[in-house]
Amino acid sequence: AQKITQTQPGMFVQEKEAVTLDCTYDTSDQSYGLFWYKQPSSGEMIFLIYQGSYDEQNATEGRYSLNFQKARKSANLVISASQLGDSAMYFCAMRPMNYGGSQGNLIFGKGTKLSVKP
Amino acid sequence: AAGVIQSPRHLIKEKRETATLKCYPIPRHDTVYWYQQGPGQDPQFLISFYEKMQSDKGSIPDRFSAQQFSDYHSELNMSSLELGDSALYFCASSSDIGSYEQYFGPGTRLTVT
Repeated sequence: AQKITQTQPGMFVQEKEAVTLDCTYDTSDQSYGLFWYKQPSSGEMIFLIYQGSYDEQNATEGRYSLNFQKARKSANLVISASQLGDSAMYFCAMRPMNYGGSQGNLIFGKGTKLSVKP
Repeated sequence: AAGVIQSPRHLIKEKRETATLKCYPIPRHDTVYWYQQGPGQDPQFLISFYEKMQSDKGSIPDRFSAQQFSDYHSELNMSSLELGDSALYFCASSSDIGSYEQYFGPGTRLTVT
């Protein structure tokens, strides 16, 4: 069975500093994808970044980077130069990657609430 | 670019009533997923459809049913509503070709009183 674990229910970071949100996962699938989503208080689910299990390089998207350590089954999100607008709930998620045909559903972690202090 | 559309955005129902949530996926996306997110919870997968056929089933109560129509839009039908059904219901869509991402709609916030 697949499982995502986020051990930090809440995190504080000073504006302009970097922060790392932890995520570990468990799966028996050989091919899978790891995702991070941001959910502000308004409720929408915003896709941030994706890492494929076979990708050798860590994914980066602007101020977001994913520290992927396959042997440790971890996929930590690093946010650089935090901004007040980064205050939100952050979910780590995964799903098996099927090439063609039906795609698998996402399994989410419990989330980490990030608060950015001015 | 077109996004996933969900209607209604907010819905208030009483216990034992029925509700229908609608989802319009991104054009040419052939897979639709439904997720339920209770207050302070992570999203839980309910059900998915690929090419108008049910492809996977998660923790969907028997009181709920869903289908995907010929134009690929999907509807989640909820009957005998309970207070515990109050949640944010997300629809997401994806394509089996190219993109790995599931594109989420804005969600429907259902309140059962």
